[in-house]
Amino acid sequence: GNSVTQMEGPVTLSEEAFLTINCTYTATGYPSLFWYVQYPGEGLQLLLKATKADDKGSNKGFEATYRKETTSFHLEKGSVQVSDSAVYFCAEGSSASKIIFGSGTRLSIRP
Amino acid sequence: DAGITQSPRHKVTETGTPVTLRCHQTENHRYMYWYRQDPGHGLRLIHYSYGVKDTDKGEVSDGYSVSRSKTEDFLLTLESATSSQTSVYFCAISESGDRPNTGELFFGEGSRLTVL
Repeated sequence: GNSVTQMEGPVTLSEEAFLTINCTYTATGYPSLFWYVQYPGEGLQLLLKATKADDKGSNKGFEATYRKETTSFHLEKGSVQVSDSAVYFCAEGSSASKIIFGSGTRLSIRP
Repeated sequence: DAGITQSPRHKVTETGTPVTLRCHQTENHRYMYWYRQDPGHGLRLIHYSYGVKDTDKGEVSDGYSVSRSKTEDFLLTLESATSSQTSVYFCAISESGDRPNTGELFFGEGSRLTVL
């Protein structure tokens, strides 16, 4: 079946550092791609999405570009803040009824 | 915020006992999902529903059953709980109707289950 692979955590950065979290997928065709974020003690919430190749999703300073040629959807932010500390999940929706999640990457930001 | 309520939020039970988790939505969305979250595995789909009385299996459905007798409620049942089912369970709903793969999932706050 399809799968999503994202970089292992935890990732620890200093405030204002540049962030990249890698994500690749195996689905063929043109799945929709998502990044979800989970803050401590909460459920997941959508951070951004892209539904076709070369689209860029963005929200709260985070960006990710749908790269069909490398089957990737890497998450980036130019200057992270302490409030960005959370677990980040990459996901793909190629099936009409399921969304497949990666294993999550825990991000900690030091003041 | 999407109206999704999970109950109970925390439960401790013993091996071999039945457990039912409830997900209630006030959004009238067609699709509902049950996921489990475990360290190193992320979220894995257990079962999902695409309408009243319409359900299907996900990738880790063994040992679980579901029922959806009303649009707003999706029940997850562990017929005989095992320690391997200790996890955090999340319910999610989709607002995209027939095309949830292009839409957003809204998640409940989770139900933490411990099986001793």
